[in-house]
Amino acid sequence: DGGITQSPKYLFRKEGQNVTLSCEQNLNHDAMYWYRQDPGQGLRLIYYSQIVNDFQKGDIAEGYSVSREKKESFPLTVTSAQKNPTAFYLCATSTSGRASSYEQYFGPGTRLTVT
Amino acid sequence: KNEVEQSPQNLTAQEGEFITINCSYSVGISALHWLQQHPGGGIVSLFMLSSGKKKHGRLIATINIQEKHSSLHITASHPRDSAVYICAGGGNQFYFGTGTSLTVIP
Repeated sequence: DGGITQSPKYLFRKEGQNVTLSCEQNLNHDAMYWYRQDPGQGLRLIYYSQIVNDFQKGDIAEGYSVSREKKESFPLTVTSAQKNPTAFYLCATSTSGRASSYEQYFGPGTRLTVT
Repeated sequence: KNEVEQSPQNLTAQEGEFITINCSYSVGISALHWLQQHPGGGIVSLFMLSSGKKKHGRLIATINIQEKHSSLHITASHPRDSAVYICAGGGNQFYFGTGTSLTVIP
């Protein structure tokens, strides 16, 4: 069953704790992305990776970190430095790094609540 | 001003109505995407187009490159079409519209 897996679906953390969101894909796609969605706003790019062992900051990378040690996996860590971490986080993939030229496939998302 | 603007923000329709959602963009794009987000949050890609028109079932997407405008049409709308529809476009990265929340009433 091909696709993108994000876990968990709901995540609760106390303020000041780091938390890592999982994103795994078996589509054999080179490019992976992390987006954040807040009510009333469009999706915003946090980080993206076009190839293993390489990643670039998106528009709102402050307070986040990523790694891309394997093609299949692109975990996102929300650090305590992120001022407003409560949001819906979406992972996506595409066959190429030139995002808008290729269809993007989205995971089911993780809803993070920090109190 | 956002790079991608959608209208309307919210839309309520009776079952069977013809629906149009509009998208205008100010950035250069290599393709314009229409996405559908269901209440649970999952997003699926509906269309990717760089010119003309595409049709899939009751959904039709058009784009006018010169006017930097795209429309998504739904014919014979159905309650299961209720979702948020998002347009996005760009070059190396996407710019997303804020979405149009559609509710189709039986």
